[in-house]
Amino acid sequence: ETGVTQSPTHLIKTRGQQVTLRCSSQSGHNTVSWYQQALGQGPQFIFQYYREEENGRGNFPPRFSGLQFPNYSSELNVNALELDDSALYLCASADEGGEQFFGPGTRLTVL
Amino acid sequence: KQEVTQIPAALSVPEGENLVLNCSFTDSAIYNLQWFRQDPGKGLTSLLLIQSSQREQTSGRLNASLDKSSGRSTLYIAASQPGDSATYLCAVRQTYKYIFGTGTRLKVLA
Repeated sequence: ETGVTQSPTHLIKTRGQQVTLRCSSQSGHNTVSWYQQALGQGPQFIFQYYREEENGRGNFPPRFSGLQFPNYSSELNVNALELDDSALYLCASADEGGEQFFGPGTRLTVL
Repeated sequence: KQEVTQIPAALSVPEGENLVLNCSFTDSAIYNLQWFRQDPGKGLTSLLLIQSSQREQTSGRLNASLDKSSGRSTLYIAASQPGDSATYLCAVRQTYKYIFGTGTRLKVLA
């Protein structure tokens, strides 16, 4: 059984650009969540998808959007990047018991 | 609004010590609580998951307890080793949402 993978590992963008981050969940996990982790902080919940539908969202603006696909992959899209969007972005898939399994993260730097 | 607090923020101990990390939460209406380990710049590794109906879980040298009524969980690490050095995070689940504490940075000295 493969774990959760994310790509790319690192990314550098400039303010105002758009970015797409990708995640591949563990096979059989129908739930995927995305988190933003600033340096020295705990992860902040962005949103969750279940069977390709968004079923929960944290306190993030609409320029943060996502997609989940039938093959257990998902995307996080961020438009109009701001300097404060610089962070580690983590995705996590969950089994039916609710245990979360995290990917290694994508480090986004906005200049 | 659920708030999760972890104390202490940082901890440095000599190898071999038994230690306790604390996690407290303000709203007891949770589905479960999960403890994670995070190495610098890396993702999170799941250590233990405690469902709301459970009191504790054990894995190797790790034991986690949950007292939902008082809004507390503890992670006990026995016979600490330098390889245990990392940040330890707890997270509580409410409906679809997982809320994290800010973590305890542990350093185990050889």
